[in-house]
Amino acid sequence: EDKVVQSPLSLVVHEGDTVTLNCSYEVTNFRSLLWYKQEKKAPTFLFMLTSSGIEKKSGRLSSILDKKELFSILNITATQTGDSAIYLCAVLRLIQGAQKLVFGQGTRLTINP
Amino acid sequence: EAQVTQNPRYLITVTGKKLTVTCSQNMNHEYMSWYRQDPGLGLRQIYYSMNVEVTDKGDVPEGYKVSRKEKRNFPLILESPSPNQTSLYFCASSLRNPHVLTFGAGSRLTVL
Repeated sequence: EDKVVQSPLSLVVHEGDTVTLNCSYEVTNFRSLLWYKQEKKAPTFLFMLTSSGIEKKSGRLSSILDKKELFSILNITATQTGDSAIYLCAVLRLIQGAQKLVFGQGTRLTINP
Repeated sequence: EAQVTQNPRYLITVTGKKLTVTCSQNMNHEYMSWYRQDPGLGLRQIYYSMNVEVTDKGDVPEGYKVSRKEKRNFPLILESPSPNQTSLYFCASSLRNPHVLTFGAGSRLTVL
């Protein structure tokens, strides 16, 4: 059975701290891994990772994939209160000729001023 | 503005009263999907559609129906809602493959 597991499920830090969110997966026919940020409404796309070891970066956020150990991390440096959100990891896999996204439970990140 | 629009955003209903949540996208996307989000369970796929008149079950299809008569619309139908369908529902679309999804703002449904 496909599994995408995020940790921690919840994290509270102070503004300015650096955080690392984890996503591990067990799926067959892996294609890519995606990160989304969900504030009060719809999840918004952050990164898509397909190759191992290549860091994707956007401002203070960065992410990397390890296809050998089957995990990805999302780093946020110099956190701000606006980074408070649920961060979702999703794995895209191929099943019976169609691509399917499997989501993890999400990590709820709270940044205190 | 490119977007996915869901309605209603909030709904309280009673067991057994049929309801439809509409979803419309203006990006000419082929792929559309419905998810439900429950605490501790993440986003789970209900149904998806690869194109007009092509729909298929996701992971939790029981109690739901969908249709895709036009490319832009993908309504979610609850024929006889039950309290275990109380949830936050998201419609999403992407150009072809279901990876970089654009999500709607969500519809919070409560079934009493």
